[in-house]
Amino acid sequence: EPEVTQTPSHQVTQMGQEVILRCVPISNHLYFYWYRQILGQKVEFLVSFYNNEISEKSEIFDDQFSVERPDGSNFTLKIRSTKLEDSAMYFCASSVNGGAEQFFGPGTRLTVL
Amino acid sequence: GENVEQHPSTLSVQEGDSAVIKCTYSDSASNYFPWYKQELGKRPQLIIDIRSNVGEKKDQRIAVTLNKTAKHFSLHITETQPEDSAVYFCAAPDPNYGGSQGNLIFGKGTKLSVKP
Repeated sequence: EPEVTQTPSHQVTQMGQEVILRCVPISNHLYFYWYRQILGQKVEFLVSFYNNEISEKSEIFDDQFSVERPDGSNFTLKIRSTKLEDSAMYFCASSVNGGAEQFFGPGTRLTVL
Repeated sequence: GENVEQHPSTLSVQEGDSAVIKCTYSDSASNYFPWYKQELGKRPQLIIDIRSNVGEKKDQRIAVTLNKTAKHFSLHITETQPEDSAVYFCAAPDPNYGGSQGNLIFGKGTKLSVKP
């Protein structure tokens, strides 16, 4: 059964550094999402992406964040200048269409020191 | 925007008992309600979902009920087993997309512990 994959599984970075989190959505899916989950808290929406552009973003997704689909398989989240409060688990998700089930990747644990 | 409330935050049951987790939502336009199970350190996994054209959906030991009038939906797990222990999240879609698609708004989660 196809799954969403994410790399790396754990990323440690210094405050102020840029990080890029990578995702490979399920191949026939057209809608892509990034969510984050601070330890012990609920999953929070960051951004949705369709047809090579952002569909919706939350207030968390400020100018420090960007997303890109650089090729036909990868979907990336970039944090330009990380802050301590960016430490969280970041999940990528994809769905075949906008009204369908979203399938989550295994997550990238980002630790900002 | 959509607001999803989930109760209880923790639930402890004996193996074999039933467990019920309840969620309420605020936007009457929402018409898709998934439930995710998250084991410690793992990804959220979709376990069941319901759309507003039905009031109940069942998959083996798991069922979800929806009351659109009251704007609440519930997850029912029967004959609980230790492997059901996890955090369960309900969700509803962002109403900016008409309530049936797009980004999900999650509840705060329920930590279910099933004691052998």
